[in-house]
Amino acid sequence: EVQLVESGGGLVQPGGSLRLSCAASGFTFSTYGMNWVRQAPGKGLEWVSYISSSSRTIFYADSVKGRFTISRDNAKNSLYLQMNSLRDEDTAAYYCARDLGAVAGTVILDYWGQSTLVTVSS
Amino acid sequence: SYELTQPPSVSVSPGQTASITCSGDKLGDKYACWYQQKPGQSPELVIYQHIKRPSGIPERFSGSKSGDTATLTISGTQAMDEADYYCQAWDSNTAVFGGGTKLTVL
Repeated sequence: EVQLVESGGGLVQPGGSLRLSCAASGFTFSTYGMNWVRQAPGKGLEWVSYISSSSRTIFYADSVKGRFTISRDNAKNSLYLQMNSLRDEDTAAYYCARDLGAVAGTVILDYWGQSTLVTVSS
Repeated sequence: SYELTQPPSVSVSPGQTASITCSGDKLGDKYACWYQQKPGQSPELVIYQHIKRPSGIPERFSGSKSGDTATLTISGTQAMDEADYYCQAWDSNTAVFGGGTKLTVL
């Protein structure tokens, strides 16, 4: 059974940093691209970042470019999101999600974790 | 930046057919997928590549495409289908979600 378990969320002041983790199990992690997606309270879904299976290809949403860094450790079956210079508008539930990989040049999110909540507030 | 447009809300009676649309520039040239999110739960993929259904998704969920509009259709809608639905596509190395549609079954 595919499982994605996020951790690392919490309360942080504006300008602060936080590192999110996502532990994957139930599939061959090293062969799938992975993503972070967030959802502000009461709002819709917003894609944050993508990393390919080998880490060679990385994409970011404009809203986080230069502040967030996605990475992975295939030996540990883990995905990470380093978040720096946090702003109030980064407050959200953060999901890690697997890319189905069915079609080259597109991303389809076939499994999602339960999310970890990040609150940016003074 | 790329945008996908969905109606904010759709209402349907139990047993009837619900249709949710998603439109975007040249969406017909991209692959659209649909996610269902029930209150307090994570999103779940229900349709991908416009028309494909993941294993475990009931047959009453179907997808279609016409021009630059993708449509999610739920036939014989059940109370358990009440949820928010999001379309998504990939454009310029970015995943883009529609604003979401709240489906009410009443």
